[in-house]
Amino acid sequence: DGGITQSPKYLFRKEGQNVTLSCEQNLNHDAMYWYRQDPGQGLRLIYYSQIVNDFQKGDIAEGYSVSREKKESFPLTVTSAQKNPTAFYLCASSPDRGIGKLFFGSGTQLSVL
Amino acid sequence: SQKIEQNSEALNIQEGKTATLTCNYTNYSPAYLQWYRQDPGRGPVFLLLIRENEKEKRKERLKVTFDTTLKQSLFHITASQPADSATYLCALVNRDDKIIFGKGTRLHILP
Repeated sequence: DGGITQSPKYLFRKEGQNVTLSCEQNLNHDAMYWYRQDPGQGLRLIYYSQIVNDFQKGDIAEGYSVSREKKESFPLTVTSAQKNPTAFYLCASSPDRGIGKLFFGSGTQLSVL
Repeated sequence: SQKIEQNSEALNIQEGKTATLTCNYTNYSPAYLQWYRQDPGRGPVFLLLIRENEKEKRKERLKVTFDTTLKQSLFHITASQPADSATYLCALVNRDDKIIFGKGTRLHILP
């Protein structure tokens, strides 16, 4: 059953804590993305990766970090430097950047305790 | 400045009628445009893609038009059903391969 899996569905962060959101895909897609969605806002790009061991900053990368050690996995760490982390985080993949449609995971809702 | 705007935050349509959603953009030159559906608490799902040299695209009850002169795309759902109620997102794919999303339009199909 192919797809893109995000976990956990809900995550709570304490002050000063780093948290990591998981994103795994078995679609054999080269490109992977992280978006942030706030109520009433469009999706904003945090980071993207077109190939293993390479990634680029998106529009709102400050306070976030990523890694791409395997083609299937693109975890996102929300660091303590991100002062307003409460949002719905979406991971996506595509066969190639710019070619066509994005396949999204079901999202992680991050809230601050 | 660059903008992508979708019409009104919410749209109420009577079941069986055609729902029309609008996506307008300024200061972009998109290579193509995509429409996605998003249900509450879920990730968006791709629906349709239309290229800059295409005027219209259809898929079952869905139709998308793309007017690069007006800088506008229209998304139509014919014979609308309550199950079509969702948020619909417009996304431009710029010539640098960057994808820019609109804020979305919440569509309610009233039985």
